[in-house]
Amino acid sequence: GEDVEQSLFLSVREGDSSVINCTYTDSSSTYLYWYKQEPGAGLQLLTYIFSNMDMKQDQRLTVLLNKKDKHLSLRIADTQTGDSAIYFCAERQSGGSYIPTFGRGTSLIVHP
Amino acid sequence: NAGVTQTPKFQVLKTGQSMTLQCAQDMNHEYMSWYRQDPGMGLRLIHYSVGAGITDQGEVPNGYNVSRSTTEDFPLRLLSAAPSQTSVYFCASSYGGAQSTDTQYFGPGTRLTVL
Repeated sequence: GEDVEQSLFLSVREGDSSVINCTYTDSSSTYLYWYKQEPGAGLQLLTYIFSNMDMKQDQRLTVLLNKKDKHLSLRIADTQTGDSAIYFCAERQSGGSYIPTFGRGTSLIVHP
Repeated sequence: NAGVTQTPKFQVLKTGQSMTLQCAQDMNHEYMSWYRQDPGMGLRLIHYSVGAGITDQGEVPNGYNVSRSTTEDFPLRLLSAAPSQTSVYFCASSYGGAQSTDTQYFGPGTRLTVL
């Protein structure tokens, strides 16, 4: 099975909060990341959380980490049309190549 | 800094042709990677390098070759293009290592169509 799993689509109304969920399999993951990909562009890092943290907040973004359930979420407050993009969850395991493993990405569609 | 650059941006090949996708970074990153992105499949790692002269296979290496003769450059070679290699290809780099957050810096992508 996949190392990192995400739902493929999320549709929200402008001004609402968006919550994008991710599950991962490696309990020894050290860093977990959220990347954003706008149409026709490469991925850009949104935020990351270290595995000894439960929560990280950065302006409209809140990342929650539940290590017991191996569950990561990204909450975007007051979602805007400019937030429409694909959001990728990724994990970096504690050993091996240090190359992160990416999920399939969640397409966030924000409608008026 | 230009960051990670990729050329070309678009390419159309015929089945059986060969070509090289170029990737360069000017951030003195040790780690570089090639991914392909297909609809519904997310990003899949093709090959990666942890330093000049060192490369290794990722999840989907068949049909692709890489080399890393300098820290800056990491070209991806398609030896004999097949329609299944139609995809968007992304190069990424990072500082690497156990003490690093390993934030990946991505290039803008190369959109390849194989007819």
